[in-house]
Amino acid sequence: QVQLVQSGAEVKKPGASVKVSCKASGYTFTSYGISWVRQAPGQGLEWMGWISAYNGNTNYAQKLQGRVTMTTDTSTSTAYMELRSLRSDDTAVYYCARDLVAGHNDYWGQGTLVTVSS
Amino acid sequence: EIVMTQSPATLSVSPGERATLSCRASQSVSSNLAWYQQKPGQAPRLLIYGASTRATGIPARFSGSGSGTEFTLTISSLQSEDFAVYYCQQYNNWPPRTFGQGTKLEIK
Repeated sequence: QVQLVQSGAEVKKPGASVKVSCKASGYTFTSYGISWVRQAPGQGLEWMGWISAYNGNTNYAQKLQGRVTMTTDTSTSTAYMELRSLRSDDTAVYYCARDLVAGHNDYWGQGTLVTVSS
Repeated sequence: EIVMTQSPATLSVSPGERATLSCRASQSVSSNLAWYQQKPGQAPRLLIYGASTRATGIPARFSGSGSGTEFTLTISSLQSEDFAVYYCQQYNNWPPRTFGQGTKLEIK
């Protein structure tokens, strides 16, 4: 069965970086993309960006351009999201999701809480 | 950037009744719209894609309609497990693939 398993919770100081992993199983990793979505405490969903697991092409939300990098390791079927220069308003649960060609997301990881606090 | 606006913010409905949730796009997104359900402490769950196609395993009481700028999610007979937050998302013009702010469906 399709599964996306994310890395564990992180606590970071302002200005630091965080790298969240998302290990996929149960499907051909390179046949789909991966989207990243975050959710601040008590808030709605925010789309962060997308990466093609086939060729590594990316598209990022403009507000995160320059601070976010999404990558994949096809040898381990793992996607990564790195966010730099962390601020307190980056505190959120970060989700990865399998991305179908049409653009919707059918399987989601369990989420990774990233807390940014001094 | 396309802005997605959901209404109402909160909807109170009794079990067994019908719930109708709305989503409006600031410009046409054709039929490239999805609906997700999210329960507290859980990841979102895909319900509907292509504005009206139910995802695998989604009960028939969930239905989606609309195209262009106006969309509706209807839950025909509410079950206890349906009380949650619902989000629409457009994936027609991106980046970004914008979400609505969500509708909280609560028990009346």
